[in-house]
Amino acid sequence: GAVVSQHPSRVICKSGTSVKIECRSLDFQATTMFWYRQFPKQSLMLMATSNEGSKATYEQGVEKDKFLINHASLTLSTLTVTSAHPEDSSFYICSASGDGGHEQYFGPGTRLTVT
Amino acid sequence: QKEVEQDPGPLSVPEGAIVSLNCTYSNSAFQYFMWYRQYSRKGPELLMYTYSSGNKEDGRFTAQVDKSSKYISLFIRDSQPSDSATYLCAMNVQGGSEKLVFGKGTKLTVNP
Repeated sequence: GAVVSQHPSRVICKSGTSVKIECRSLDFQATTMFWYRQFPKQSLMLMATSNEGSKATYEQGVEKDKFLINHASLTLSTLTVTSAHPEDSSFYICSASGDGGHEQYFGPGTRLTVT
Repeated sequence: QKEVEQDPGPLSVPEGAIVSLNCTYSNSAFQYFMWYRQYSRKGPELLMYTYSSGNKEDGRFTAQVDKSSKYISLFIRDSQPSDSATYLCAMNVQGGSEKLVFGKGTKLTVNP
């Protein structure tokens, strides 16, 4: 299957700072990328959908000014959590689809802890 | 009624057992069906992808889709302790570029 990577795998930051998470498709061109967050023992919650070169589409209740998404190339999307607060602590996962396929492939996730 | 229903379990079976995981859905427009396996603190891994009704086999895994009943299943033969994980069904209408609708996931434990 296709490979999606995320960096960093875990990050700890202070309240009020911003943190950037990268999502890369390593062996295919990802025309669409998705960003999720997941709380312990819960299913995935979609935050936004991004298509290469266009603005992200955010799900209801997700603050677009707080969670900045940039999908600048066919292999890279970034999620920036701005002015992070402890309640932003979560597991953030991206997925990607492309190359005409119907499957979505997930990255390994990034664990964010805001102190 | 949720769009996708999945029994959260937990499900505990002995090693070697046949495991059956199921999801039902209400939207008859769904055409693409996926099963993901998620280990603790890891991203979901795509196990099976199906489009049409019927069975699809890959090693010890068989995915089954019954569109008339709006019911999908994942069977695991000769289950192993390494199969212990949460299994998520997911589906959508148009395929890859469209967001997936997930079941809540079933936590499976295979006991040695």
